Amino acid sequence: DAGVIQSPRHEVTEMGQEVTLRCKPISGHNSLFWYRQTMMRGLELLIYFNNNVPIDDSGMPEDRFSAKMPNASFSTLKIQPSEPRDSAVYFCASSLFQGRVGETQYFGPGTRLLVL
Amino acid sequence: DAKTTQPPSMDCAEGRAANLPCNHSTISGNEYVYWYRQIHSQGPQYIIHGLKNNETNEMASLIITEDRKSSTLILPHATLRDTAVYYCIVRGSSARQLTFGSGTQLTVLP
Repeated sequence: DAGVIQSPRHEVTEMGQEVTLRCKPISGHNSLFWYRQTMMRGLELLIYFNNNVPIDDSGMPEDRFSAKMPNASFSTLKIQPSEPRDSAVYFCASSLFQGRVGETQYFGPGTRLLVL
Repeated sequence: DAKTTQPPSMDCAEGRAANLPCNHSTISGNEYVYWYRQIHSQGPQYIIHGLKNNETNEMASLIITEDRKSSTLILPHATLRDTAVYYCIVRGSSARQLTFGSGTQLTVLP
C-alpha cells in the first residue's frame, strides 16, 4: 500500500501568498482528516470529510482556511492569504469509515509550512 | 472524550521491555483506549487499541486494568527505532476525531 500521500513535503512562502496543500488518501478509505501540529498547540483537527462531504470544520482557524474534496482520491487545504502564524506541520489522515467503533486513522508524512 | 494523563518522558534500555502508563480515570463504558506514536518529523502511527480485554499485535501489547481507569502499553523488546512520542487517546464510538494530548517521549538508550 502506498499509504496517505501528501504534497509538497516542504513549503516556504511569503506572508500574503496563497498556499495549497494536497492529500491523496488510502484507496478505499471513506473518511479524510486534516490536522495541524505546532509546538504550542500540539496536534489539532482542522476538518474532516466523510464520503467527500465536509462533516465538521469547527477546527478551521478562520476564513483564510478552506478545504475541498472533489473526489474520493484527492483533497486540498488552502490558506489565502497566508500569515507567519500559519507556520506548522499539516497532516492528512484517512480511515476506512469514521464512526464505526474501533476505526483507526492512518496519517501521511505531513507538509512542513513556513510562512515568512 | 475522557482525558488522559501520561508521564512526559521515559527512558528504556535497548532490548528491554518498555512499559508506558496512561491514566484515564474518567473513561466511560463505550470509550476505547488507543495508542499512537510519532517518530520525529513523521506522521502519527497507529499502534493498538482496546476496550476491556488485553490486546496484542505485532507491535505491542495493551494491558487495561479491570476498572478501565488506566492502561499500559508494552513494547516487549525496545529498539532505537522505537524512540518516539507515544500518545494515549480515549475515544468514544461516536467521536470523529482523535484528541492528542502531550504524550510520553520515550527514549530508547543503546
